Amino acid sequence: EAGVAQSPRYKIIEKRQSVAFWCNPISGHATLYWYQQILGQGPKLLIQFQNNGVVDDSQLPKDRFSAERLKGVDSTLKIQPAKLEDSAVYLCASSLELGEETQYFGPGTRLLVL
Amino acid sequence: GESVGLHLPTLSVQEGDNSIINCAYSNSASDYFIWYKQESGKGPQFIIDIRSNMDKRQGQRVTVLLNKTVKHLSLQIAATQPGDSAVYFCAENISGAGGYNKLIFGAGTRLAVHP
Repeated sequence: EAGVAQSPRYKIIEKRQSVAFWCNPISGHATLYWYQQILGQGPKLLIQFQNNGVVDDSQLPKDRFSAERLKGVDSTLKIQPAKLEDSAVYLCASSLELGEETQYFGPGTRLLVL
Repeated sequence: GESVGLHLPTLSVQEGDNSIINCAYSNSASDYFIWYKQESGKGPQFIIDIRSNMDKRQGQRVTVLLNKTVKHLSLQIAATQPGDSAVYFCAENISGAGGYNKLIFGAGTRLAVHP
């Protein structure tokens, strides 16, 4: 079974630029999560989707971050404009269905904002 | 409040010894706990989980202990191997009103295994 795929693996941008990350969850997984992991910290949930609907985006900085999962499969996370403090690893995870606690993580996208 | 923390940021052990990684949680409503292993450059990998109605669960070389009285969780790794070197996170699951789950992660403990 293929795992969660993410791209790109690394991205370096200057502050105020825009960036987008892509995630393909495990096939058949209805629930998808985006996390931000700052160096030396545990992952922090940004947004959770159930199919193509948002379940929880309470910790997403909506003034600059946006995410979508239009067809209920792949998802993109965008930052516009980026700030220095957005430097982090952005992890995508998926679980089989809403209420299924076990989440499977992708390798992450490491973002450096200069 | 919602928080999961770890007592020891770094743990160094000799190969073959047993390792114990500790974690404290603060939310009494948490009903499910997971330990993840994260190797450098990779995403967190599920190791073992335990529900709040249990106090012990064993896997292959790993055991998780849950003490709800003092809100403490521990991960025991038997016969630690170099491949066990990684950062270990505990996470508590909080069930939302809409039936969804939210994982709250601790800061992590780095396990370094020396030959």
